[in-house]
Amino acid sequence: DVKVTQSSRYLVKRTGEKVFLECVQDMDHENMFWYRQDPGLGLRLIYFSYDVKMKEKGDIPEGYSVSREKKERFSLILESASTNQTSMYLCASGAQGRDQPQHFGDGTRLSIL
Amino acid sequence: QQQVKQSPQSLIVQKGGISIINCAYENTAFDYFPWYQQFPGKGPALLIAIRPDVSEKKEGRFTISFNKSAKQFSLHIMDSQPGDSATYFCAASTDMRFGAGTRLTVKP
Repeated sequence: DVKVTQSSRYLVKRTGEKVFLECVQDMDHENMFWYRQDPGLGLRLIYFSYDVKMKEKGDIPEGYSVSREKKERFSLILESASTNQTSMYLCASGAQGRDQPQHFGDGTRLSIL
Repeated sequence: QQQVKQSPQSLIVQKGGISIINCAYENTAFDYFPWYQQFPGKGPALLIAIRPDVSEKKEGRFTISFNKSAKQFSLHIMDSQPGDSATYFCAASTDMRFGAGTRLTVKP
């Protein structure tokens, strides 16, 4: 079974802090994704990566960056956290190919105070 | 701006009824259309998926209907059960854009 593990289920940070969200997958998937989930807006793609050291902007990359130094790990970075980044963050991985499903972690609920 | 439009936002169905969720897309380059199911406290999980070369796919009580010319696809849940109560997301490749989600409640 594919396992996507997000480092924290709940996280509380302060405005202006630099925040790191970590995601690890154990299925040697090439593709990894970061989404945020907000009520009424569904899942919005922040960044994705097709390979180590590669990254592509999604629909809402502003205020975020990512790092993929190893194939199994994809990190989301909030450079200077703001209250409008309070959300549920979901990481996903998938095998190479346009018709490959994504496998999600259980999410990190991030609160910025 | 949502690349995949999903409706309704919420749906209440009686046990044994049919649940229908609809999605529409604009980008004709999309060629893979999965549906995901999400229970509270969990990440979404793949439920069923379709490619545009077929008009319908059925897996158990779940059916996807696909209309390529209208750029629409829908999920039908037959004989809906209380255990089906969850949030459902449609999605479309190439880079997996998701709809806004439908919260389904099946009343016993």
